[in-house]
Amino acid sequence: GEDVEQSLFLSVREGDSSVINCTYTDSSSTYLYWYKQEPGAGLQLLTYIFSNMDMKQDQRLTVLLNKKDKHLSLRIADTQTGDSAIYFCAESKGSGYSTLTFGKGTMLLVSP
Amino acid sequence: KAGVTQTPRYLIKTRGQQVTLSCSPISGHRSVSWYQQTPGQGLQFLFEYFSETQRNKGNFPGRFSGRQFSNSRSEMNVSTLELGDSALYLCASSLAGTKETQYFGPGTRLLVL
Repeated sequence: GEDVEQSLFLSVREGDSSVINCTYTDSSSTYLYWYKQEPGAGLQLLTYIFSNMDMKQDQRLTVLLNKKDKHLSLRIADTQTGDSAIYFCAESKGSGYSTLTFGKGTMLLVSP
Repeated sequence: KAGVTQTPRYLIKTRGQQVTLSCSPISGHRSVSWYQQTPGQGLQFLFEYFSETQRNKGNFPGRFSGRQFSNSRSEMNVSTLELGDSALYLCASSLAGTKETQYFGPGTRLLVL
């Protein structure tokens, strides 16, 4: 199966919280990342978490990591229409170099 | 500090031609990685360069190659273009590439006709 799996689509209303989920397979992954991609643009780093952490909060973003289940989630509080984009989960696998393995991305649609 | 820049932003080529894409990393970053993004395969790692040496390579045919210059700028080349090479090619830079955060450029969108 895929190394990193994400649900493909999420629709929420403006002001609600959004939760995007991701599962990964490599227990040696040291860093796990969330990137955002808007139409026609490159990838914007949103946040990352070390594998020895359970949670990281950064303004409206909360990342939760469950190492036992290899599950990562990104919660966006008070979601805005400007948050509509594709969100990618990525893991940095193995020892040494910074090769990222990405999920297929979750398209978040925020309606007014 | 300026971000990662990629040139050109858009490119149209025909089958059989070759193409060279350029990436300038963030100042001070010495590691440059390249990724290919397609609707079918998603984001796939091509290769990574550090101090002018290729350190890691993804599962792509030999038609895909790259290099890095002493100022850390990198180029990737695709020879004998195929229709399936149509994609967004993204470059990312990091300080030293060892598990550090990678910052991406806006990408070069290549269309092969």
